[in-house]
Amino acid sequence: IAGITQAPTSQILAAGRRMTLRCTQDMRHNAMYWYRQDLGLGLRLIHYSNTAGTTGKGEVPDGYSVSRANTDDFPLTLASAVPSQTSVYFCASSDAESSSYNEQFFGPGTRLTVL
Amino acid sequence: GQNIDQPTEMTATEGAIVQINCTYQTSGFNGLFWYQQHAGEAPTFLSYNVLDGLEEKGRFSSFLSRSKGYSYLLLKELQMKDSASYLCAPMDSNYQLIWGAGTKLIIKP
Repeated sequence: IAGITQAPTSQILAAGRRMTLRCTQDMRHNAMYWYRQDLGLGLRLIHYSNTAGTTGKGEVPDGYSVSRANTDDFPLTLASAVPSQTSVYFCASSDAESSSYNEQFFGPGTRLTVL
Repeated sequence: GQNIDQPTEMTATEGAIVQINCTYQTSGFNGLFWYQQHAGEAPTFLSYNVLDGLEEKGRFSSFLSRSKGYSYLLLKELQMKDSASYLCAPMDSNYQLIWGAGTKLIIKP
């Protein structure tokens, strides 16, 4: 693994189904983030984690949950998908603890369609 | 509230210079990032400003005025591969990045 990876690359999902988007980084970064990106809108933060074992809510957390059992993995779960969750999802990480400089590194994204 | 304002789209000619402006209002301020995002790809880091003034990095420069809540990204000697969206992202008092919708830059030959 080099950097940050996401799976799946894309997914079509029936409404009401449960779905987990996976994110793994090998940079030993403390902080990780989940964003969604919709046409015409900026990246919107769903959930974040400043360190393993802790998580926080972002701007648009409803309908999503996360866990951070270890440093490397940060899965995002949609408990019961709805069409409004159709979006491109990006996972990111940063070495936030080392300084206030918070450059974020992004995974390649997951394109999710909920029908 | 927090707000980022950038032009939605700009067009420029190959070889020319273009300036992409960004104004922002955030709860506290801890620096500002510019990212580049090609269509269908992830954002990638371009620049970071925390003090007023100009930061130059090759063909790209970024300027910050904290008192005016203003930044710009300057791209020189434009190449076709510079066609992308450019995202302005100030960092608030909680060190969270607040993302603008981005400026889609179209380069014409």
